[in-house]
Order: sequence, then structure tokens, then C-alpha cells
Amino acid sequence: SQQGEEDPQALSIQEGENATMNCSYKTSINNLQWYRQNSGRGLVHLILIRSNEREKHSGRLRVTLDTSKKSSSLLITASRAADTASYFCATGGAGSYQLTFGKGTKLSVIP
Amino acid sequence: NAGVMQNPRHLVRRRGQEARLRCSPMKGHSHVYWYRQLPEEGLKFMVYLQKENIIDESGMPKERFSAEFPKEGPSILRIQQVVRGDSAAYFCASSPPLVAEETQYFGPGTRLLVL
Repeated sequence: SQQGEEDPQALSIQEGENATMNCSYKTSINNLQWYRQNSGRGLVHLILIRSNEREKHSGRLRVTLDTSKKSSSLLITASRAADTASYFCATGGAGSYQLTFGKGTKLSVIP
Repeated sequence: NAGVMQNPRHLVRRRGQEARLRCSPMKGHSHVYWYRQLPEEGLKFMVYLQKENIIDESGMPKERFSAEFPKEGPSILRIQQVVRGDSAAYFCASSPPLVAEETQYFGPGTRLLVL
């Protein structure tokens, strides 16, 4: 299965620092998406990057995709306490509607 | 534009009872997906439906679980004779009709606790 796996499992940083989370997957993909989940809540879609794209930005978020290494990274710049959440990558295969999620990275931003 | 709505948000059932989880997709979305999340885990795909059709139920347990998305009304995930292992958060997502394999918009989830 094309399972995304994030690392680190947990990350604790000071407010204002940058946070980098990584995701690796196993098989070819059509797109890779990042979601945020606050404790006990639903998932919020952050950004989608397609397999023919290498980098994408959205506000303080920067996502890279390296299909040769089957990996992606999510960078959150100038982190805020409100960024505290779990972050999941999810892969979508060509012609597939299933999203395959990793276990997530739990980010804590300390004020 | 209201997002994906799910109810109830929390559901407590005793072993052997039935659980019914409801999902109303975003306006204009005709594709619905159900996922299950165990504690400290990522989401696992269960089923993909369009109006009146089950497109892919490969992630659904073979017994006790069923899903529907009728012409009118919300999508329903039904779990019969619940067991403790069914305790999890169940998320519904929806997407617009033409790009079903891309962004999925998630609801707040239903947290099922089986006593």
C-alpha cells in the first residue's frame, strides 16, 4: 500500500521558530496532501501538491515533493501557539480516490 | 457555505447495539468517503459512495458494517452489533463531482465509544 509515514512522531518548538515535518511513502502517487488536526477535532486541508510539482507555498506553509525519493516535507515558518496540532500527510494514487494517511506528527509550539 | 456536517458528534453504545452515523456533504459535493481513526493513528479509508451507489467498499469490514448514500438525505454509516473494537473516531469527507481523487473536505467526526 502507498502508506505515508511522517517523522518525527512528535516535535516541540518555541514560538517563532520554524517547524519541519517529513513524510515518506512507498508507491507512485498522483498527489500528496497535508492536513492538520487539532486535538479531538476534524481534519483541515492545508495544501495539495501534485506529482509533477516540486514545491508549493501557501502563507507560512511550504511543501516540497521529491518523487525520486518518495518523500515530502512540510515547513511552517514563524510558528505560533495556534499551530499546535497533529499534522498528517495523505497520498492519492492515480485514478484512486482513497487517501492513505500516515500516523501524523504531533507539533507543540510553546509560547 | 456550510462545511461537511456529521452527527452525532459523540455516540455511546453498549456492546451488541447498533450505531448510526450520519454525514451531510458540502453543498454541491456528490462524492462521500468514510474513514476510521483509532487513537494515535492516522485515518483509514473505509468506503467511497456517490448518490445511490457504493463505488468502493474495500476498506469496510466484511460483517456488521454497511454504508449508504440515498438520493435524498445524508450518507449513513451503520454498524450493527457493536463491539469494543469499534470504538474510534469516524470521519466523513466529501469532494465535488469532477475531481474525486483530489482534495477531500472532512467533517468534524463522530466519536463512537462502545461500553
